[in-house]
Amino acid sequence: DQQVKQNSPSLSVQEGRISILNCDYTNSMFDYFLWYKKYPAEGPTFLISISSIKDKNEDGRFTVFLNKSAKHLSLHIVPSQPGDSAVYFCAARGVRGADGLTFGKGTHLIIQP
Amino acid sequence: DTGVSQDPRHKITKRGQNVTFRCDPISEHNRLYWYRQTLGQGPEFLTYFQNEAQLEKSRLLSDRFSAERPKGSFSTLEIQRTEQGDSAMYLCASSVPGQTYEQYFGPGTRLTVT
Repeated sequence: DQQVKQNSPSLSVQEGRISILNCDYTNSMFDYFLWYKKYPAEGPTFLISISSIKDKNEDGRFTVFLNKSAKHLSLHIVPSQPGDSAVYFCAARGVRGADGLTFGKGTHLIIQP
Repeated sequence: DTGVSQDPRHKITKRGQNVTFRCDPISEHNRLYWYRQTLGQGPEFLTYFQNEAQLEKSRLLSDRFSAERPKGSFSTLEIQRTEQGDSAMYLCASSVPGQTYEQYFGPGTRLTVT
């Protein structure tokens, strides 16, 4: 069973506009949520995280929103730049002392010039 | 800070052979993680170490897999009697004490079993 779901395999956005990537989860015991970015032939790169006790975290062009009641989080990138084209993974960490992250399948973001 | 490094970057082996991968974490990162990623999927957690102690293993880590971190620095992941289903990208990550949710990944080792 997939505990972290990214239902959009791909997303195309025009340069300069806002990109919104979505993620849903089923396990209410997750305590941290993270977004990673991955280019081909490279490992995932940490972007931004949010604790389950917060509803928003911002870092430059990246903002993550968490809606615990809906078990939903989103990553907003504004403005979108060509270098943002990559696969974005949503990930979550459990509270039971386990440190292994649970990842979604990823969304391929394509920034159109 | 040189980042997490992994060696080799690519490995092609025949079914039934043993393979070993190495991961060097970021210095001062006491936690080290191994993940596996197959095509179209996100990374899947395999195991992690705090210093030299292996603290958690996923059910994905069959008895053909073994991981070590003998001196709390680099780690090795060995797969014995490889099968075609072992073909995947094997990723290593590390994290600092107190911020273990922020894991920094290496470039991965791509294993192809023929």
